[in-house]
Amino acid sequence: KNEVEQSPQNLTAQEGEFITINCSYSVGISALHWLQQHPGGGIVSLFMLSSGKKKHGRLIATINIQEKHSSLHITASHPRDSAVYICASSPIQGAQKLVFGQGTRLTINP
Amino acid sequence: EPEVTQTPSHQVTQMGQEVILRCVPISNHLYFYWYRQILGQKVEFLVSFYNNEISEKSEIFDDQFSVERPDGSNFTLKIRSTKLEDSAMYFCASSQDRGSTEAFFGQGTRLTVV
Repeated sequence: KNEVEQSPQNLTAQEGEFITINCSYSVGISALHWLQQHPGGGIVSLFMLSSGKKKHGRLIATINIQEKHSSLHITASHPRDSAVYICASSPIQGAQKLVFGQGTRLTINP
Repeated sequence: EPEVTQTPSHQVTQMGQEVILRCVPISNHLYFYWYRQILGQKVEFLVSFYNNEISEKSEIFDDQFSVERPDGSNFTLKIRSTKLEDSAMYFCASSQDRGSTEAFFGQGTRLTVV
């Protein structure tokens, strides 16, 4: 059974700090997703990656398939980055049933 | 930009009543999903749907739940007789293909059973 674990569960930082959120999973996957959930509850897809690294603006996602580990980095963090960040895995076989981590609540103070 | 649309955004219902949550997936997507998130907990998979039939479902998705694609655009989740523990945020998602393709989520329907 695939388990997805994130750390930390809560993270508070000052504006401008470099942020790292970690995600580990227990079985082989076809892809790892990073998602953002805002206070209203809606979920937005940030990245989907199966190897290496992806960058979008100030966000960078990396994955190490051998170690079953992924990280989400935010450079020059801003209060508007405050949200819950969730990683989720896609299984290798079968329909795309995402298995979610518990989320990391990020608060960036001005 | 195409998006997944869910209605209503919030529904309050009495225990034992039937509810239907509605979703309009992205038009060229083929795979549709329902997930739920009980307050303070992880998002959990409920069901996936492809080619007009359920392709996978979780243990949560018991006989009280059903899904339907009544026409070419809507995808619905019905809960026949709601319980207090059905109170949650329900998310619809769609993807173009199975496997490692990006899933697009709706904004969610917050269901409150009283």
